[in-house]
Amino acid sequence: DAKTTQPNSMESNEEEPVHLPCNHSTISGTDYIHWYRQLPSQGPEYVIHGLTSNVNNRMASLAIAEDRKSSTLILHRATLRDAAVYYCILIPAGGTSYGKLTFGQGTILTVHP
Amino acid sequence: KAGVTQTPRYLIKTRGQQVTLSCSPISGHRSVSWYQQTPGQGLQFLFEYFSETQRNKGNFPGRFSGRQFSNSRSEMNVSTLELGDSALYLCASSLGLAETDTQYFGPGTRLTVL
Repeated sequence: DAKTTQPNSMESNEEEPVHLPCNHSTISGTDYIHWYRQLPSQGPEYVIHGLTSNVNNRMASLAIAEDRKSSTLILHRATLRDAAVYYCILIPAGGTSYGKLTFGQGTILTVHP
Repeated sequence: KAGVTQTPRYLIKTRGQQVTLSCSPISGHRSVSWYQQTPGQGLQFLFEYFSETQRNKGNFPGRFSGRQFSNSRSEMNVSTLELGDSALYLCASSLGLAETDTQYFGPGTRLTVL
């Protein structure tokens, strides 16, 4: 399975944009890129996913490099509620691993008021 | 729509005992996955059930087992508890039909083994 690499921690100020990088240099052509986050004392929650094109939803944007070897989760205006551990996860297409998420260490995002 | 529910939320057991944890998925979801979260190992996948069949299994000893019922509710069992089994056990449900399906997590069961 392809691996992901993320910085251990990042810091941001409230209402500023945050760019969370993820390296996945061994990604296969059919792997989907998913992002989940885990707020303190809660279970993880879905943020966004994509395959090749950049994606936007109400929570965030996902920018995927042209060679797909890296991606960046963008929080346009960080709030204190965005302080969480962010996980970048690859899910292969076409198999039966849909219910299996392989979490790495993730990035701890600290948001300062 | 009601979210994923897990019972009990907290549990204290002693070494050697066994424990059963329960998970009720979101209505309509056929896949239930279980994860163990510890400070040292992070979030680790235990197993996944889809339509009452175990579809994926993580790298855990046979003391960890699970099952899924016809209504998609799932239970996981840990026998002969060890101190290292102290963890937050998370359950997630999804449609389980595609790699784009979102997994919805419950609040977890905090197990403490003394």
